[in-house]
Amino acid sequence: QQPVQSPQAVILREGEDAVINCSSSKALYSVHWYRQKHGEAPVFLMILLKGGEQKGHDKISASFNEKKQQSSLYLTASQLSYSGTYFCGTGGRDDKIIFGKGTRLHILP
Amino acid sequence: DTAVSQTPKYLVTQMGNDKSIKCEQNLGHDTMYWYKQDSKKFLKIMFSYNNKELIINETVPNRFSPKSPDKAHLNLHINSLELGDSAVYFCASSRIAGAGELFFGEGSRLTVL
Repeated sequence: QQPVQSPQAVILREGEDAVINCSSSKALYSVHWYRQKHGEAPVFLMILLKGGEQKGHDKISASFNEKKQQSSLYLTASQLSYSGTYFCGTGGRDDKIIFGKGTRLHILP
Repeated sequence: DTAVSQTPKYLVTQMGNDKSIKCEQNLGHDTMYWYKQDSKKFLKIMFSYNNKELIINETVPNRFSPKSPDKAHLNLHINSLELGDSAVYFCASSRIAGAGELFFGEGSRLTVL
């Protein structure tokens, strides 16, 4: 089952914050976040492997609520370089990583 | 040295033809994948191999046949190409199946005319 991402698209001004949500209808063992810029391959941001785990680097962090089968990606004080499409991928017991439809983020100067 | 490399990067061909895309990884990973990204940017898993063995085969037409001669290579052969096969095909590898970071190749853009 494909995870559901929201919102589908976000437009921000540089310096503003954004939250991207990812939810699944099935039990999750891992949540993966990737960013893809136009014409490029997706690039890994982070993996969350335990319920309640929060991770982050620089001004991008994520949380994983295993009970609610949800994850959120937080982008703080967004920079122009954050523009792109963000994908969450969910891993179950079957070794598959299934990606959501993506959230397009556009940062304006 | 590119970690995951795919060839060719671009492929334009006629309907009904057969084509192959090759993928190689030099990361020493055991697991490799093929993902298809269509014009709406949906990233859909097609196949996964772990140490040369097929472990995931999503509902992909039989015209698509992956082959893994060794754990560093995963090729994709497509028979009787159709218009709907036009997409970007990404190869990826990971150290741990289903839970490790995916390292993607640059993608192979296939256009079927």
